[in-house]
Amino acid sequence: SQTIHQWPATLVQPVGSPLSLECTVEGTSNPNLYWYRQAAGRGLQLLFYSVGIGQISSEVPQNLSASRPQDRQFILSSKKLLLSDSGFYLCAWRPSGANVLTFGAGSRLTVL
Amino acid sequence: RKEVEQDPGPFNVPEGATVAFNCTYSNSASQSFFWYRQDCRKEPKLLMSVYSSGNEDGRFTAQLNRASQYISLLIRDSKLSDSATYLCAVQDSGNTPLVFGKGTRLSVIA
Repeated sequence: SQTIHQWPATLVQPVGSPLSLECTVEGTSNPNLYWYRQAAGRGLQLLFYSVGIGQISSEVPQNLSASRPQDRQFILSSKKLLLSDSGFYLCAWRPSGANVLTFGAGSRLTVL
Repeated sequence: RKEVEQDPGPFNVPEGATVAFNCTYSNSASQSFFWYRQDCRKEPKLLMSVYSSGNEDGRFTAQLNRASQYISLLIRDSKLSDSATYLCAVQDSGNTPLVFGKGTRLSVIA
């Protein structure tokens, strides 16, 4: 069966520090991968998505970046965090050509 | 800008009540529709897809109205365990990402 793993689950980072969130999917190949952010009082905001290795589409210009170094690995990064980067980051996947989206357990980031 | 709008909530209802949520979408070409449930501090989980003819899963009924560009979720005989935030999601086509509404919070009260 397919599973999605996301880590770390929780982190507290100072302003200006770097960030790396990782997401891996097991039990499938060539999935479509997504990073969403849910800030307090706001909805799910799509940040990046990828339909294949090395293919990244950015939805919102900001100080975050994403990479897909392997078929089932999706990484969200920042060189310097801002206070406004605080939020609940959710990785999600779905089979290529299908439309059922499954989320990871999320990474809760607090920037102080 | 493609948008998905939901009833702001919160909805506070007694156990056993029937509650309905609506969600409107701006892109008339949208093809796929979903309802997700999100518990506090957890990830959203798929509740049900919404089919053109409407579909039912136990106490939950989802409907699509393409002419008016909205989807609805009806929950009958509400349980305390139904308390959560309900998110609607819309997809245009193929591999395009899902666009989510901001969610409607439901509290079922004993």
